[in-house]
Amino acid sequence: DADVTQTPRNRITKTGKRIMLECSQTKGHDRMYWYRQDPGLGLRLIYYSFDVKDINKGEISDGYSVSRQAQAKFSLSLESAIPNQTALYFCATSDLGRGYQETQYFGPGTRLLVL
Amino acid sequence: DQQVKQNSPSLSVQEGRISILNCDYTNSMFDYFLWYKKYPAEGPTFLISISSIKDKNEDGRFTVFLNKSAKHLSLHIVPSQPGDSAVYFCAASAIQGGSEKLVFGKGTKLTVNP
Repeated sequence: DADVTQTPRNRITKTGKRIMLECSQTKGHDRMYWYRQDPGLGLRLIYYSFDVKDINKGEISDGYSVSRQAQAKFSLSLESAIPNQTALYFCATSDLGRGYQETQYFGPGTRLLVL
Repeated sequence: DQQVKQNSPSLSVQEGRISILNCDYTNSMFDYFLWYKKYPAEGPTFLISISSIKDKNEDGRFTVFLNKSAKHLSLHIVPSQPGDSAVYFCAASAIQGGSEKLVFGKGTKLTVNP
């Protein structure tokens, strides 16, 4: 079984709709992240959470919100989807505390198309 | 401003030869560097890393070199195999600077031809 899972794997939605992407992990890691990947732009950080009570904005948080329901679950919401949010979304986890060098482990991704 | 740059979007290499993927960075506070490999329809997977206190780290066919004065790192794959064909992302973080988040480059697509 995969350590980091994402649901759904693919989603098509319409402009203005609310959509939630979910991430679950069985690695027992405290840190979780949401990234989006666009062609030619690499991976850009949307939000991150170092523990259940800690939520932080990344470089492209506008138009997104997150919820850390438990150590193992981190959800990304698009309150009102727009076409330029069409992208590949990745969840990642890591287990190192502050001051340590971290390695992140990624989920398989969610491909989102906003029409 | 792009802090981690992978200036070659793609690289094509013959099987058995060496693949060299390059990465430049601008933030002198970066002290930890990683390479990730990504296959289509999968998430990135960690490949190899290097701390700024080292200039080389080797793991099997993969070696990462770090030149701090030039703010440059490279990933060498020897010998290259068709299964190495993927997109490779360089990433960096800065513990001392308080920015523990990873910053990724845009990726280089490696194609290893049989």
